[in-house]
Amino acid sequence: GAVVSQHPSRVICKSGTSVKIECRSLDFQATTMFWYRQFPKQSLMLMATSNEGSKATYEQGVEKDKFLINHASLTLSTLTVTSAHPEDSSFYICSASQEPYRDQETQYFGPGTRLLVL
Amino acid sequence: GDSVTQMEGPVTLSEEAFLTINCTYTATGYPSLFWYVQYPGEGLQLLLKATKADDKGSNKGFEATYRKETTSFHLEKGSVQVSDSAVYFCALSQRGGADGLTFGKGTHLIIQP
Repeated sequence: GAVVSQHPSRVICKSGTSVKIECRSLDFQATTMFWYRQFPKQSLMLMATSNEGSKATYEQGVEKDKFLINHASLTLSTLTVTSAHPEDSSFYICSASQEPYRDQETQYFGPGTRLLVL
Repeated sequence: GDSVTQMEGPVTLSEEAFLTINCTYTATGYPSLFWYVQYPGEGLQLLLKATKADDKGSNKGFEATYRKETTSFHLEKGSVQVSDSAVYFCALSQRGGADGLTFGKGTHLIIQP
């Protein structure tokens, strides 16, 4: 149980275009979803926290107009990288925690999406 | 802000060797501490966790004890197997999970037969 999927697993796009990444909790309802970014040989860095039905909370230094997050349902969150540039190339990982009456501290991670901007 | 420091790899061991991966943290208050593991080609999975001082988390033969006096959460296993080869991340969270995780850089563990 507690499976999180991401789509696509890999995407290549041209500079200036927008890319949408989906994160789904397959067998549970996720009150909160998180988006992380991972550079090669670096740690995962939290980008934003999204709660279903409300605006995402972005970490300091993350451009909210560039990285649009929507958490429209308890099983789906999307990250849209707008006007992508080569420096946005990275590995994006989402995670989800279960509803409040469950173990909210444990996060379940998706397999990640590799974005390459040419 | 909060931070997690863990030993950098790769760490290469022979099968059945004893494993220790060091992890220390800097945080205000009383965070919860985690070890996540990432096997090749897969997403991160929770390995074990501890939510208060002196708690010991354990799973699949791995153990880690929450030491507030030394701000540490070292991962240990008495006898590693080839299948333990993976990247291990130490992490902490505040506010009972409402916040995201703060991760260390990860330690790549390689177990040779």
